[in-house]
Amino acid sequence: DQQVKQNSPSLSVQEGRISILNCDYTNSMFDYFLWYKKYPAEGPTFLISISSIKDKNEDGRFTVFLNKSAKHLSLHIVPSQPGDSAVYFCAASANFNKFYFGSGTKLNVKP
Amino acid sequence: GAGVSQSPSNKVTEKGKDVELRCDPISGHTALYWYRQSLGQGLEFLIYFQGNSAPDKSGLPSDRFSAERTGGSVSTLTIQRTQQEDSAVYLCASSLEGGGNQPQHFGDGTRLSIL
Repeated sequence: DQQVKQNSPSLSVQEGRISILNCDYTNSMFDYFLWYKKYPAEGPTFLISISSIKDKNEDGRFTVFLNKSAKHLSLHIVPSQPGDSAVYFCAASANFNKFYFGSGTKLNVKP
Repeated sequence: GAGVSQSPSNKVTEKGKDVELRCDPISGHTALYWYRQSLGQGLEFLIYFQGNSAPDKSGLPSDRFSAERTGGSVSTLTIQRTQQEDSAVYLCASSLEGGGNQPQHFGDGTRLSIL
């Protein structure tokens, strides 16, 4: 029973363009959402988060959008850079001590 | 280093053997998490420690899995009588406090292969 889903296993974009990574969830009790970035043979690193009381959070080139009614969040990277090529995981939390992760989307930014 | 340290980085063992995986969290972090990532899958929650509270073991897949955290710092994940389906990358993470608004800092994981 996957409560957090990333339906696109991979995404390829041209350098300088926008990358949009999507995530859907089923549990309406989730109230905090995070995105992590993972390079091969390394652990995930925290990228950006959003609370359910907001619908948008920006940090430099990264923006996360939350649509609670659709139970959907997305990560926008603008402009995309080759160094952004990695696997991106979204995660959600309902009770502050257990996190549910999606299966990841592998982003390839072509020079 | 100042990050989360996991050892060993790789472990290959025969089916039926016991294995111990170690995690050194960031100093001062009171929350510690174990996850498992099987090939092509997302991170699967295993167990969560917060300070001196009883751990949340709800993610442990069977009674062959156990974990402890000594002195509120180092944690060991033990898998007894390993099976081939236990093959995965085991990731440890720590955060300053427990809580959904506290980003977790991950180690590089232990890649476990059961022959």
